[in-house]
Amino acid sequence: DLQLTQSPSFLSASVGDRVTITCRASQGIGSHVTWYQQKPGTAPKRLIYLASTLQNGVPSRFSGSGSGTEFTLTINNLQPEDFATYYCQQPNNHPRIAFGGGTKVEIK
Amino acid sequence: QVQLQESGPGLVKPSQSLSLMCSVSGASISSANFYWSWVRQHPGGGLEWIGYISFRGTTYYNPSLKSRVSISRNESKNQFSLTLNAVAAADSAVYYCARLQVVDSTSYGMDVWGQGTTVTVSS
Repeated sequence: DLQLTQSPSFLSASVGDRVTITCRASQGIGSHVTWYQQKPGTAPKRLIYLASTLQNGVPSRFSGSGSGTEFTLTINNLQPEDFATYYCQQPNNHPRIAFGGGTKVEIK
Repeated sequence: QVQLQESGPGLVKPSQSLSLMCSVSGASISSANFYWSWVRQHPGGGLEWIGYISFRGTTYYNPSLKSRVSISRNESKNQFSLTLNAVAAADSAVYYCARLQVVDSTSYGMDVWGQGTTVTVSS
């Protein structure tokens, strides 16, 4: 059964920082990773799909990369509105759609 | 603009069934390339995929919940629903409906989400 492991689970950063979140898959999944941002009390929002394609309207300071078993979400020049929890997802059901455990980005 | 809205009881007794509805506007649940999903989030926890119903009406469920879950649809009302049987306190969560985008067997993830509805299982 596919497992997605995100690291770190928590990170503290300052406005203007560059942050990188890693998502590791227990087996190769090609480029089939989606990244979401979730703010407290709201639904997740798709940021990136197919590992590196930015959702329309998402700022270009967000980027994704990777393939196979290791994927990264990078946020350059962290802004106040970016403090949130981020999830990776393998969106194909083989045998289930899997989410990573999440990474909470907090203000230092 | 596509919108999803969950509805249903916020309180369910243990051992009973949880039933939620997702009303879709701005898109047809029968349109190709979209799978209509349910996802839940336990308090303070991560996201868990429950299952989906495809535009063809085919259903797929998380194996960990498969024995208790059913997802159906009402095309005339453009709604899809979730039934979870024999609930326990561990099923207390925020339940989201979401649209999963799939083209030629490639999934692009969930591009539209409902606001979520909180369900508490308690006597």
